Amino acid sequence: GAGVSQSPRYKVAKRGQDVALRCDPISGHVSLFWYQQALGQGPEFLTYFQNEAQLDKSGLPSDRFFAERPEGSVSTLKIQRTQQEDSAVYLCASSPEGVLGQYGYTFGSGTRLTVV
Amino acid sequence: AQSVTQPDIHITVSEGASLELRCNYSYGATPYLFWYVQSPGQGLQLLLKYFSGDTLVQGIKGFEAEFKRSQSSFNLRKPSVHWSDAAEYFCAVGDGGGADGLTFGKGTHLIIQP
Repeated sequence: GAGVSQSPRYKVAKRGQDVALRCDPISGHVSLFWYQQALGQGPEFLTYFQNEAQLDKSGLPSDRFFAERPEGSVSTLKIQRTQQEDSAVYLCASSPEGVLGQYGYTFGSGTRLTVV
Repeated sequence: AQSVTQPDIHITVSEGASLELRCNYSYGATPYLFWYVQSPGQGLQLLLKYFSGDTLVQGIKGFEAEFKRSQSSFNLRKPSVHWSDAAEYFCAVGDGGGADGLTFGKGTHLIIQP
C-alpha cells in the first residue's frame, strides 16, 4: 500500500481483556517497529522485526505483550489481560532497509487503546 | 544509553514570526538525528534528518535544522510560521544499527497565535 496502515484506529477494552492490534507496513519494507506513545509523551520503542525475525523485544513492558510477524509483512501486537496503564497510542513504523539508513521510518496513524 | 531532551514543552509563536525548537541529545558516536511532526490524531511525519555531511539540513514545509556536535544539539528552525504548523514536534536520535529503533524526546507543542 501507499503507507503504513494500522487497525483498528480506536479500541476500548475492559480491564483484563485481550486485544490484538494490526499493522500493515509498506509493501516490501524489511524493517518493522512498534512504539507505545502515552498521553503527552514521545513514542517509546517496544520491538523490532527484520522480515519475520523479531530481533529486539527489549522495550516490551511485560510478558503480557507479544508481537509477531509470521510472514515478514503484516504484524500483530497482542496485549493479554489489559491493564489501565496499557492505555496509549500504539504506533507502527516500517523502513525499506534492514538498518537505519537514509530513508528513516514511515509511521502509521496509530491505534489508540483505552482500557476501562 | 542514548537520550533526547526537548526543553520546551510548549512554545507560542505569532503567525509569520520565526521559530526555533530546541533539541539536545546524548549519544556516544555520531548520531542519526530526526525531526518529526505529529498533528492531533495522526501518526508521525518526517520533517528532516541528519546522517552525515552538511550540518545544515533542509526539510519539508520550509523547515531546516542545524547539527552542532560541540553543543550536542539539533535545533529546528523555520523563518516564518503558518497557522497550519501548529502541532507537536518530536526530535529523535538513532544509530546505524537500527535494531533499537529511535529514541524520542517528549515533544514540543507549538501554538500559533493569529
